[in-house]
Amino acid sequence: NAGVTQTPKFQVLKTGQSMTLQCAQDMNHNSMYWYRQDPGMGLRLIYYSASEGTTDKGEVPNGYNVSRLNKREFSLRLESAAPSQTSVYFCASTLKVTSGGDEQFFGPGTRLTVL
Amino acid sequence: AQRVTQPEKLLSVFKGAPVELKCNYSYSGSPELFWYVQYSRQRLQLLLRHISRESIKGFTADLNKGETSFHLKKPFAQEEDSAMYYCALRAPLAYSGAGSYQLTFGKGTKLSVIP
Repeated sequence: NAGVTQTPKFQVLKTGQSMTLQCAQDMNHNSMYWYRQDPGMGLRLIYYSASEGTTDKGEVPNGYNVSRLNKREFSLRLESAAPSQTSVYFCASTLKVTSGGDEQFFGPGTRLTVL
Repeated sequence: AQRVTQPEKLLSVFKGAPVELKCNYSYSGSPELFWYVQYSRQRLQLLLRHISRESIKGFTADLNKGETSFHLKKPFAQEEDSAMYYCALRAPLAYSGAGSYQLTFGKGTKLSVIP
């Protein structure tokens, strides 16, 4: 049981390049999330998928797109990377959507640098 | 909109000393609060949740609705407690329909335990 996995672990892009960050979970979770982590800013939600086939914007969605490919996989795409998107990106998943204190499980993160 | 405030970016304590990491929140509904921890070079993981009223690794946190606080405490700090700690509030997503929730994170407090 690998939990939440992310690829790649590190990436360097030039301004204007595109790339897709991959995330997969093997816990049969319904909900998946993408966050970015910046020094002094904590974690901010980029996009969210409550269930397969649905996606929603979070706090900082501009410059990103997502795809919930199936129940396991949730990808994040940068169409035209900008230096402001230099960050550490975390994917997370959780089983339930309803109230009850359910835990989010996090991936190991992708460290992205945009030059 | 909800907000989570962690006033200390960095907290240094000596081994064996008591630790208190502060967390205050702003939320109009009934709060569900969590503490997540990120050890060096590891992924975020849940430390504890207020709904469980549990003690994990000697840490406890009590929800004080009157003071809108959820401070994390430990009576005797250990070196292995050195990590980044995030307080998080679970609330319905503003951008989605009913039944969709998100975590709003504070900016984090780095705890350093001095041997």
